[in-house]
Amino acid sequence: EVQLVESGGDLVQPGRSLRLSCAASGFTLDDYAMHWVRQAPGKGLEWVSGISWNSGIAGYADSVKGRFTISRDNAKNSLYLQMNSLRAEDTALYYCAKVLTTGWDAPAFDHWGQGTLVTVSA
Amino acid sequence: EIVLTQSPATLSLSPGERATLSCRASQSVSSYLVWYQQKPGQAPRLLIYDASNRATGLPARFSGSGSGTDFTLTISTLEPEDFAVYYCQQRSNWPLTFGGGTKVEIK
Repeated sequence: EVQLVESGGDLVQPGRSLRLSCAASGFTLDDYAMHWVRQAPGKGLEWVSGISWNSGIAGYADSVKGRFTISRDNAKNSLYLQMNSLRAEDTALYYCAKVLTTGWDAPAFDHWGQGTLVTVSA
Repeated sequence: EIVLTQSPATLSLSPGERATLSCRASQSVSSYLVWYQQKPGQAPRLLIYDASNRATGLPARFSGSGSGTDFTLTISTLEPEDFAVYYCQQRSNWPLTFGGGTKVEIK
């Protein structure tokens, strides 16, 4: 059974940093690109970032480009999101998501974690 | 970026009725349109990918159709567990974008 478990969410002040983690199990992580998608409280879904199976390609939404960095460690079955210069508008539930098919095509997401909450407030 | 507009924002129906949800793209996404269901306190669940392909284990009462800019998710006969928020997502162009959602609520 595929499982994705996010951690690292917290209450932080604007301008500070946070690192999210996603522990993956039940599938071969290095066969798949992985992504982060966020959802502000009471709002819709927003794609944040994605990384190819071998870390060769990474993509970011304009809203986080230059501030967030995605990475992965296939040996540790883990995905990460380093979030710097956090803003109030980054407040959201951050989901780790597995893509449906292998490759780097723009994906559909077939498995999601339960999310980790990031709150940016003074 | 491609903007997805979902309508209606809220759909009030009774169990047993048919639900028709719309997703319109600001430019053609070919057939690269995905549908998700989200219940309160839960992560999204993949329903339909590439406009009309059902995810593994999805009941046959869910179907998707459309191409280009206009897409529809149909639930033929609403079950109590189908009352939720539904999102569309395009996977034609980067950045990936989602629609604003349609809430299907019990009338």
